[in-house]
Amino acid sequence: GAVVSQHPSRVICKSGTSVKIECRSLDFQATTMFWYRQFPKQSLMLMATSNEGSKATYEQGVEKDKFLINHASLTLSTLTVTSAHPEDSSFYICSAASGGAAYTQYFGPGTRLTVL
Amino acid sequence: QKEVEQDPGPLSVPEGAIVSLNCTYSNSAFQYFMWYRQYSRKGPELLMYTYSSGNKEDGRFTAQVDKSSKYISLFIRDSQPSDSATYLCAMNQSGGSNYKLTFGKGTLLTVNP
Repeated sequence: GAVVSQHPSRVICKSGTSVKIECRSLDFQATTMFWYRQFPKQSLMLMATSNEGSKATYEQGVEKDKFLINHASLTLSTLTVTSAHPEDSSFYICSAASGGAAYTQYFGPGTRLTVL
Repeated sequence: QKEVEQDPGPLSVPEGAIVSLNCTYSNSAFQYFMWYRQYSRKGPELLMYTYSSGNKEDGRFTAQVDKSSKYISLFIRDSQPSDSATYLCAMNQSGGSNYKLTFGKGTLLTVNP
């Protein structure tokens, strides 16, 4: 299957700072990227869907001014957590898709964010 | 009622056992059904997918979908300690990968040697 990477794999930051997480599709062009958040022992909750070159579509309850998503190219999407707070500590996972069948949404390895 | 319900477990079985994992759903528009395996602190990896109703087998894994009952299952035969992970069911309405997946909560499975 296709490969999706995320960077960093783990980040610790102080409350009030901003953190940027990168998601890259390494061997295919991703027309759509998804950002998920996963709390311990919980399932993946979709935060937003982004299509290359357009504004992201956020799920209900997700603050778009707090979680800034940029999908500037067909291989890169970034999620910036602005003014992070301890409650933002979570596991953030991206997935990338190129318009094939439903099961061809490939997931990154995730980023563990800890806000002190 | 949540769109997708999955018993979070945990489920603990001896090596060699047959494991049955299940999800129910409420949205009759779901057409594609996937099972993902997620190891601790890793991203999900696709195990099986099924379109509409029916069975699909791949090695030790069998996926079943019963759309009339809105019920899907994943069976693991001859379970191994390496199968210890969280198993997530996921569903998609449209059939295209550019559309969002709806996940179950995941079932934590431990296979004891």
